[in-house]
Amino acid sequence: QSALTQPASVSGSPGQSITISCTGTSSDVGGGYNYVSWYQQHPGKAPKIMIYDVTNRPSGVSNRFSGSKSGNTASLTISGLQAEDEADYFCSSYTSTSTRWLFGGGTKLTVL
Amino acid sequence: EVQLVESGGGLVQPGRSLRLSCAASGLTFRTYSMNWVRQAPGKGLEWVSYISSSSSSIKYADSVKGRFTVSRDNAKTSLYLQMNSLRDEDTAVYYCATEAGGSLLEYWGQGTLVTVSS
Repeated sequence: QSALTQPASVSGSPGQSITISCTGTSSDVGGGYNYVSWYQQHPGKAPKIMIYDVTNRPSGVSNRFSGSKSGNTASLTISGLQAEDEADYFCSSYTSTSTRWLFGGGTKLTVL
Repeated sequence: EVQLVESGGGLVQPGRSLRLSCAASGLTFRTYSMNWVRQAPGKGLEWVSYISSSSSSIKYADSVKGRFTVSRDNAKTSLYLQMNSLRDEDTAVYYCATEAGGSLLEYWGQGTLVTVSS
């Protein structure tokens, strides 16, 4: 099964907002389950969950991070960009196929 | 504090086997479903396997089905991944991750590197 589609890179200046898209199909992102999550990964570190179930933030995650979904595309928005936001971001979705989770190819965020 | 500690990685020849372990502490392990997720060097994340809290439901990615076997021992608060018939393309850092419900893969280990090479 193909991975979810994300842009390879995005960039923004400190204080700005950016949005990362994640496009799938009606069998995953666009399916009846709102099981889309977003992970932040700094070099050499384990992924850290930032958003789950499309819009929910785990305890301790800044409210500068928000998620949304429309049709087969989910989005992660980071407002008030900070230097420490520079990292790779991966989306993930439940899939109704015989497997369970699909990941996107990842987006490298550069804070200019 | 929740800790997931993977072990068992290393250098292995193609066609050989390896068994990974994930030791959990600081959480009620028996209530969590668990996943293995891998990341090839310089690449993205790839989901590998899932096992429910009671081991009643098990799933695999197509790329490892028939070669990898996931299991758990709730008494030992440990998760395992038996990897047989290893291929070059299985080279990756392998992470274990908890699944609490919905899409919340909340806790991740630090990963263990598996290198398949002759």
